[in-house]
Amino acid sequence: DIQMTQSPSSLSASEGDRVNITCRASQNIANYLNWYQKKPGNAPKLLIYGASNLQSGVPSRFSGRGSGTDFSLTITSLQPEDFATYYCQQSYSTPITFGQGTRLEI
Amino acid sequence: QVQLQESGPGLVKPSGTLSLTCTVSGGSMSGHYWSWIRQPPGKGLEWIGYFHYSGSANYNPSLKSRVSISIDTSKNQLSLKLTSATAADTAVYHCARRNCYKTRCPLDYWGQGTLVNVSS
Repeated sequence: DIQMTQSPSSLSASEGDRVNITCRASQNIANYLNWYQKKPGNAPKLLIYGASNLQSGVPSRFSGRGSGTDFSLTITSLQPEDFATYYCQQSYSTPITFGQGTRLEI
Repeated sequence: QVQLQESGPGLVKPSGTLSLTCTVSGGSMSGHYWSWIRQPPGKGLEWIGYFHYSGSANYNPSLKSRVSISIDTSKNQLSLKLTSATAADTAVYHCARRNCYKTRCPLDYWGQGTLVNVSS
């Protein structure tokens, strides 16, 4: 199985800040990397697919980059609704695996 | 707008079978892969498996001996059966659409999830 490791596990930030979340794969996954936002009691929301493609309807303050084993999600100018848990996910091979999550807190 | 809604018993007895249904509205099931993902309390997301409308399935090896996923396109429903349930299967269960018309096949629509407790 491909292991996905996110860092940090939790992050404290303020409205208006810029934050960066990283995700490392245990082997080369090219750009088979997707990012999701999860809030308690809500359905996970796709933010970024194929490492850098912004899902329709997602604000442009979200961006993703990376290839191979190292990836990042950047949120510029944090808004109150951005405080949530973020997950990376590899779609290179089955079993599909997720990172352990990064909790973004105020 | 595609919407997914999970339903099923919230309580399953140990050694019993966990059975859930996901109803898809606002779009057709044809052409896509339909997935189940779970999240145990306080833990991360675990992929259970997916089923393609053509009839092929792919399961997580850690659950493969106990899991079955199927779809009923006439009802726009996806189902999950997990046999020999234990407390370790207690989780919020989500259904999701795996969309390979987008590059790298992301899970682009998810249900809100349903909590299943395995307990006597």
